[in-house]
Amino acid sequence: DAGVIQSPRHEVTEMGQEVTLRCKPISGHNSLFWYRQTMMRGLELLIYFNNNVPIDDSGMPEDRFSAKMPNASFSTLKIQPSEPRDSAVYFCASSSGQGGTNYGYTFGSGTRLTVV
Amino acid sequence: AQKVTQAQTEISVVEKEDVTLDCVYETRDTTYYLFWYKQPPSGELVFLIRRNSFDEQNEISGRYSWNFQKSTSSFNFTITASQVVDSAVYFCALSSSNTGKLIFGQGTTLQVKP
Repeated sequence: DAGVIQSPRHEVTEMGQEVTLRCKPISGHNSLFWYRQTMMRGLELLIYFNNNVPIDDSGMPEDRFSAKMPNASFSTLKIQPSEPRDSAVYFCASSSGQGGTNYGYTFGSGTRLTVV
Repeated sequence: AQKVTQAQTEISVVEKEDVTLDCVYETRDTTYYLFWYKQPPSGELVFLIRRNSFDEQNEISGRYSWNFQKSTSSFNFTITASQVVDSAVYFCALSSSNTGKLIFGQGTTLQVKP
């Protein structure tokens, strides 16, 4: 099992540009999560999906952020337009669970985004 | 609302000392899960333990042990005979069995000096 795969590992972009972060969850996992980590705010949950459906996007900071999960094996987090304050490490995680039982969360290696 | 509090921002110890990282949580769920993750300087999040709310047995894994006390809503983590390689940020996290939503505490930075 390759684990949760995120790409790219590092992204440097100019302010105003569109940025797309990608995530491939573990096969068979039915939930997917996007987190942002900064020194000031720690690990924040941005949005999560269950069976490809967005369940809670209350953590998405602004309309500039959007996330999609077109199928069970792929998700994107898009920032348009990007701003320097979006610089952070973005983690994707997936998990499996059924009937209220959670079998654990697996995190990707993260994407370090720098907006200059 | 769910909340995880790690009151210790930074801890510094000398190698071979024991150290306890505190975690206090809030939830209205009757069934939930508690986790500890380690984030070494390389940045990845490493899973350490998962505990469900019905299992209050303490757990020991090598030099690591966890004390879950529902009465005080705490899930503390102890490293015995700490080593330099234990230096990392440690996160406590809570998930609801209803939603599967996982939230983290602010993390405790542990520095183990030789």
